[in-house]
Amino acid sequence: AQKITQTQPGMFVQEKEAVTLDCTYDTSDQSYGLFWYKQPSSGEMIFLIYQGSYDEQNATEGRYSLNFQKARKSANLVISASQLGDSAMYFCAMRERNTGNQFYFGTGTSLTVIP
Amino acid sequence: EAQVTQNPRYLITVTGKKLTVTCSQNMNHEYMSWYRQDPGLGLRQIYYSMNVEVTDKGDVPEGYKVSRKEKRNFPLILESPSPNQTSLYFCASSLSAGRSKNIQYFGAGTRLSVL
Repeated sequence: AQKITQTQPGMFVQEKEAVTLDCTYDTSDQSYGLFWYKQPSSGEMIFLIYQGSYDEQNATEGRYSLNFQKARKSANLVISASQLGDSAMYFCAMRERNTGNQFYFGTGTSLTVIP
Repeated sequence: EAQVTQNPRYLITVTGKKLTVTCSQNMNHEYMSWYRQDPGLGLRQIYYSMNVEVTDKGDVPEGYKVSRKEKRNFPLILESPSPNQTSLYFCASSLSAGRSKNIQYFGAGTRLSVL
């Protein structure tokens, strides 16, 4: 079974609008961390936001927020007020505490911001 | 400047010719890892290391070797490269393996083509 599932291969959003990128995860561990990374066309991987499984509040970092629904095992990334520079691939990832520190990445969502 | 440095950035080689991709970090990080990125598959972990002389297999270790003789370096070795190892490779490091908030910082990537 996939540990991380991103069901949206591609998304489009109008500039200045908000967009939600979906991520569901599969774990039986109680302690885990969820991450979002951005990969622009230049190829580097940029850390965006982190959510711990015991964090009660949804994580926020500037225009990025993470909609964490533990019971549904979802960790969707919300980007508010989209900018042209947000056009990139976005990857959701997870680390489980009890599986020897492996990281699992989803297949990514390609976001295009339309002027 | 804190960074993860991979070399080379681009490499074209032929089947069976041994190669090494170097990775070095200057942040005194305990945890280091190698990933390969292929279209439609996201990032998949090849090997990771929780500290010096401690390495473990990720999801796709076949055909690769690693070593961690020093804390800062984590080279990836392809003893006999094959065309199915043509991919984009990333090295990453993070401060501590034992913590849930294990934010990984990535190198710029190495694009490998095996002919």
